[in-house]
Amino acid sequence: QKEVEQNSGPLSVPEGAIASLNCTYSDRVSQSFFWYRQYSGKSPELIMSIYSNGDKEDGRFTAQLNKASQYVSLLIRDSQPSDSATYLCAVTRREGGGSYIPTFGRGTSLIVHP
Amino acid sequence: DARVTQTPRHKVTEMGQEVTMRCQPILGHNTVFWYRQTMMQGLELLAYFRNRAPLDDSGMPKDRFSAEMPDATLATLKIQPSEPRDSAVYFCASGDRAGNTIYFGEGSWLTVV
Repeated sequence: QKEVEQNSGPLSVPEGAIASLNCTYSDRVSQSFFWYRQYSGKSPELIMSIYSNGDKEDGRFTAQLNKASQYVSLLIRDSQPSDSATYLCAVTRREGGGSYIPTFGRGTSLIVHP
Repeated sequence: DARVTQTPRHKVTEMGQEVTMRCQPILGHNTVFWYRQTMMQGLELLAYFRNRAPLDDSGMPKDRFSAEMPDATLATLKIQPSEPRDSAVYFCASGDRAGNTIYFGEGSWLTVV
C-alpha cells in the first residue's frame, strides 16, 4: 500500500474558483505535512507546511490537517491559470537518528482554465 | 539566493555507460536526499545522508547504483552500468539541521538509449 495517496487528476477548475486537493497517508506517527508545487519540467517547490490539526492560511492557499482521519488538503482560492501545475503532498516521519524523512504522493495535476 | 545545485542538467548516454550525477547542497544543510522521479512511480527516495554519513539507501538498486558524499559540499550518485529503465529525472534535495523542510535542486534529466 502506497504510504501517501493522492488522486492523480487532472482536476480542472475555472479561473476564480476554489481548487481543492486532497491527500491521505497511512503512517499514524507522521509528524509534518507539506505541499509542493511542480510545474512541468521543473523541480518541486515548497508552498505550504502544516504540523498541527486545523487550518493554516497563507495568501490564497489554505492547508487543512486532520490527524485522526489521516487526511491533509490544500485549498487554492481565486485560482489562476498560473496555478496550473502538479501538486505533491509530502508526509514526514522522524527517524531514530533524528532525521526527518519525507515520503511523497504521486501528485495531483491541476488545470485552471480561463 | 541559497539553492541546491545539480549537474549535469541533461544527460543522454548509451546503455552500459557510467553516469555520475553531482549535487551541491545548500551551505549549512546537513541532510541530503537523492530522489528519482518517473511518470509511473512518482518521486522515489533512493538514498539519504546526514552529516555526510549514508543512513538509508534501501531504495536504490545496489548492483548498479552507488551514492557517496565525499565532503559537505558534494554528493554524488553513480550508475554503472546504465540501462534504459534508469531514464528518469534525478533530484537532489537538502535539509537544514532542523531537518523538517527540504529544498530541491533543478534535477538531472537522464536518458539512456
